[in-house]
Amino acid sequence: DGGITQSPKYLFRKEGQNVTLSCEQNLNHDAMYWYRQDPGQGLRLIYYSQIVNDFQKGDIAEGYSVSREKKESFPLTVTSAQKNPTAFYLCASSPIQSSLYEQYFGPGTRLTVT
Amino acid sequence: LAKTTQPISMDSYEGQEVNITCSHNNIATNDYITWYQQFPSQGPRFIIQGYKTKVTNEVASLFIPADRKSSTLSLPRVSLSDTAVYYCLVTAGGTSYGKLTFGQGTILTVHP
Repeated sequence: DGGITQSPKYLFRKEGQNVTLSCEQNLNHDAMYWYRQDPGQGLRLIYYSQIVNDFQKGDIAEGYSVSREKKESFPLTVTSAQKNPTAFYLCASSPIQSSLYEQYFGPGTRLTVT
Repeated sequence: LAKTTQPISMDSYEGQEVNITCSHNNIATNDYITWYQQFPSQGPRFIIQGYKTKVTNEVASLFIPADRKSSTLSLPRVSLSDTAVYYCLVTAGGTSYGKLTFGQGTILTVHP
């Protein structure tokens, strides 16, 4: 089955620790994205990447870092500098060449930092 | 990209048709209108996309008037499983990738 995998589904960390969220896709999509969603809110873009070894900051990149060493993988690190890291994190991907503007989303990781 | 405005919530009953309207007054000539659906604790799912007039797929219809300043997502004969948040987005034409801007969406609750 083609799709996007995010792991783990739930993650708990102590304040001051860095944590890395995994995102893998086997859809052969060039572009990948990370969003954050807070309760009752829409999604906000953290980082996105259109090609391997290249990525751009989204609207709320402070306190986060990413890497794109492989086309299939786009891990997100939530650093201790992120002031309010508890949220639902969603990874997505999309093809570069397509007649439709459609992003495919993973199941999400719910991060709780105490 | 143009800002979108849609109702915060709507209620309906099983079997009814639901119409969710979205306004996007500053939509650019090349922009498309795209709708996503999101269930609790899941990622959003693409529903439909259109540029003008009417688009229909197996899930929904999208009506876009000539001035394109608004659009209406129509869900025929909703069921309890259609209870979700529906997002209206304006997306840049000519590309299939790039930033998406999600507003708060419309919480649709379908009652028995």
